[in-house]
Amino acid sequence: QVQFVQSGAEVKRPGASVKVSCRASGYTFTNYDLHWVRLAPGQRPEWMGWIRPRNGDTKYSQKFQDRLTITRDTSASTAYMELSGLTFEDTAVYYCAKKGGATDWFDPWGQGTLVTVSS
Amino acid sequence: ENVLTQSPGTLSVSPGESATLSCRASQSVRSNYVAWYQQKAAQAPRLLIYGASYRATGIADRFSGSGSGTEFTLTVSRLEPEDFAVYYCQQYGSSPITFGQGTRLEIK
Repeated sequence: QVQFVQSGAEVKRPGASVKVSCRASGYTFTNYDLHWVRLAPGQRPEWMGWIRPRNGDTKYSQKFQDRLTITRDTSASTAYMELSGLTFEDTAVYYCAKKGGATDWFDPWGQGTLVTVSS
Repeated sequence: ENVLTQSPGTLSVSPGESATLSCRASQSVRSNYVAWYQQKAAQAPRLLIYGASYRATGIADRFSGSGSGTEFTLTVSRLEPEDFAVYYCQQYGSSPITFGQGTRLEIK
């Protein structure tokens, strides 16, 4: 079955960067876009961007355009999300999620990675 | 961006009864590209409905979605104990993809 394994929880200082990985299995990694969504405490889920593993094309939400980088390693069926210039407001659980079909509904999601920004 | 507003914020319902959750978009959603997700504590969201009314694989027929334009509804019939969770709607008809703020379905 399709599943994702994300990297473990991180604690970062303000101004630092964090890189979260998402390893896919159970399907052909290059066949579907992979999205990143974050969920901060008490907030609505927030879409961050996607990568097309087949060719590395990316699209980012304008909110994160300046400090988000999504990459992939097709040999490892793994996508990476790197967010720089962290602030306390970036404390959240970060999820990768597979594009479900021809359009951008998400199924399934990774287990999530908690990123805590603390001084 | 297309802002989604879910109501109510919290819904208290008894097991065996039905629950109706609403999602209103600030702009018409292209091709009714609305999805619904269920999230339980310490778990990832799970897809329930896509395309406003299509049940995802393995989802019980107690879950149904409807609506068009700017008004969408998720109905959960014959509530079971495992259905009590937070539900989010999502629109993917325009960029950026956006989510509602969630409805918490709790046991009455």
